This record gives sequence, C-alpha cells and structure tokens, in this order.
Amino acid sequence: SQQGEEDPQALSIQEGENATMNCSYKTSINNLQWYRQNSGRGLVHLILIRSNEREKHSGRLRVTLDTSKKSSSLLITASRAADTASYFCTNFGNEKLTFGTGTRLTIIP
Amino acid sequence: DTAVSQTPKYLVTQMGNDKSIKCEQNLGHDTMYWYKQDSKKFLKIMFSYNNKELIINETVPNRFSPKSPDKAHLNLHINSLELGDSAVYFCASSQGQGAAFFGQGTRLTVV
Repeated sequence: SQQGEEDPQALSIQEGENATMNCSYKTSINNLQWYRQNSGRGLVHLILIRSNEREKHSGRLRVTLDTSKKSSSLLITASRAADTASYFCTNFGNEKLTFGTGTRLTIIP
Repeated sequence: DTAVSQTPKYLVTQMGNDKSIKCEQNLGHDTMYWYKQDSKKFLKIMFSYNNKELIINETVPNRFSPKSPDKAHLNLHINSLELGDSAVYFCASSQGQGAAFFGQGTRLTVV
C-alpha cells in the first residue's frame, strides 16, 4: 500500500510562478519526506519534516504538515525550468518507504 | 564522490539469461533498498536490508536474489529473465528512517 498520495497528478505553470502540490497519507508518522525525480534519473531527497513540526523551509521550498488531517503540502516559489520533474511524498510506514504516482510538474518557459 | 552508485546503467539481455546489478553506498548508512520502476513510473519496493540482514521482501519472485556482502553493498541477481522484468531498478540507502539516497538507476531491457 502507498504511504503517500499526491495531488494533483499533473500541474503546468509559467516560469516564475509558484507551484503547490499536496499529499495525503494514512498511517501515523515519525516524519514525512518529499522527493523529486527528473526524467530518467533517480529520486532526490528534497526535505524532511518531523511529525512535531508544522512548517519547514529549504531555499525556495516550503513544506507544511498537518498531522490532524494527515496531509502535507510542498510549495515551490519562483519556479524555474529546472523544477520540471515528478514530486513524491512518502514516510516510513511498516519500516519501508513506499511511493505513489507523484505530481508531474511542468514549468513552461 | 557518488553517494549511491549502481552498475551497469543500461542492461540489454535475452529472455532466460541470468544477470546481476551491483550497488554500493559510501554514506555509512545501515539500510539499503532495491526498487523497481515500471513503464508507468510506479516505484515499488522490492527488498530492504539492514546491516546485511534482509528485513523486507515484497513478494518478489524468487528468481530475484539480493545479496549483501557488507553494509555498503547490496547486489541484485536475477535468474531466468522474463520480458516483464524490463524496468528501471533503483538502489537506495538510508540511516534508519532518515532521508533516502538513490542511485541513478539501471535500465534493464529483456528482449
């Protein structure tokens, strides 16, 4: 079973705009993680937010976590063409990281 | 230095052959994984090893046999390859439930 489900499945925005994608999960968590995958490449860890944190920033990334709603969001500000990729949320449920289908983000130059 | 490296990057082979994919991590992590990503880009965990011990086997056919000679290596051997084994295979490692680092993938094509 998947540990995270991303929404929307696909998102296209103009370069310079902000991109927001959401994640819902089912089990209790110690932390929630976001990853990026560029086409044909391995996944890259972006940010980890612990269950006792509500918001975390890293460069142009902002992640929020609402454990009462079992949801998280990833905001990418001032998007760039290089942000075009698939984005996944996940956590260690049953001692493993499982992934959903992700959000496919396309930045239009 | 590449944190998680896997070889080969591409592998084309005929049905019925046996092949291996190697993975090494230089991060000192205690846990390593193998994932399979199919043509629909769905990433599915296959195996997880913690300190050389198998902890997760996700009902993978026994034609797939992982081997962890030490904490830094997790190799994947596949016997009697089938067309359905064609996919991209990713190795990854983590320290406990921290961030996972992925290799660049091995694109396996069975013809």
